[in-house]
Amino acid sequence: GAGVSQSPRYKVAKRGQDVALRCDPISGHVSLFWYQQALGQGPEFLTYFQNEAQLDKSGLPSDRFFAERPEGSVSTLKIQRTQQEDSAVYLCASSLALAGASYEQYFGPGTRLTVT
Amino acid sequence: AQSVTQLDSHVSVSEGTPVLLRCNYSSSYSPSLFWYVQHPNKGLQLLLKYTSAATLVKGINGFEAEFKKSETSFHLTKPSAHMSDAAEYFCVVSDLEGNEKLTFGTGTRLTIIP
Repeated sequence: GAGVSQSPRYKVAKRGQDVALRCDPISGHVSLFWYQQALGQGPEFLTYFQNEAQLDKSGLPSDRFFAERPEGSVSTLKIQRTQQEDSAVYLCASSLALAGASYEQYFGPGTRLTVT
Repeated sequence: AQSVTQLDSHVSVSEGTPVLLRCNYSSSYSPSLFWYVQHPNKGLQLLLKYTSAATLVKGINGFEAEFKKSETSFHLTKPSAHMSDAAEYFCVVSDLEGNEKLTFGTGTRLTIIP
């Protein structure tokens, strides 16, 4: 069956450009997460959706980062006025569970963003 | 607040010998603990998880981990390493209060020597 898909897989942006990264979760998964993985580091939480509601955006590093999931399925992470420190792999994960339940997060392959 | 500490950034073992990847955790609540594996250019894959049931957890590919509350540890082991085990391994903690965001360790790179 289809897993979590992300597009594009690779993105090169010039500093100051805006980028949009897409995540298609597994069909029927309620929860969706975005993580940022810098080179040589573990992934770090950015934001979390339950259906279309963004319940936690405490990990977004600045107001240049914005995420949405308007119909409770596909999600887009947008970064405005990209900076070099935004270069990282952006991972999307989805899970079946609602808060408080045992769950597994299924990860997509990631989008590698390079800001030049 | 929750966190994990992976005690070794890099572990090398010979093929056929045991693997031990160490992890200590800190959590304000009863934690859920996970090990994920990341092969080059592939997505993160769940190896195993602990969610307050049996303290010895068996996962895929012959890996297992033991939850030791007194030591706040969740070390990953495998009796006999295989070349295909070479990858990056992440110890991960989550609590079930609020959302289920995962907090990752910094990773341990496992190298298998032929």
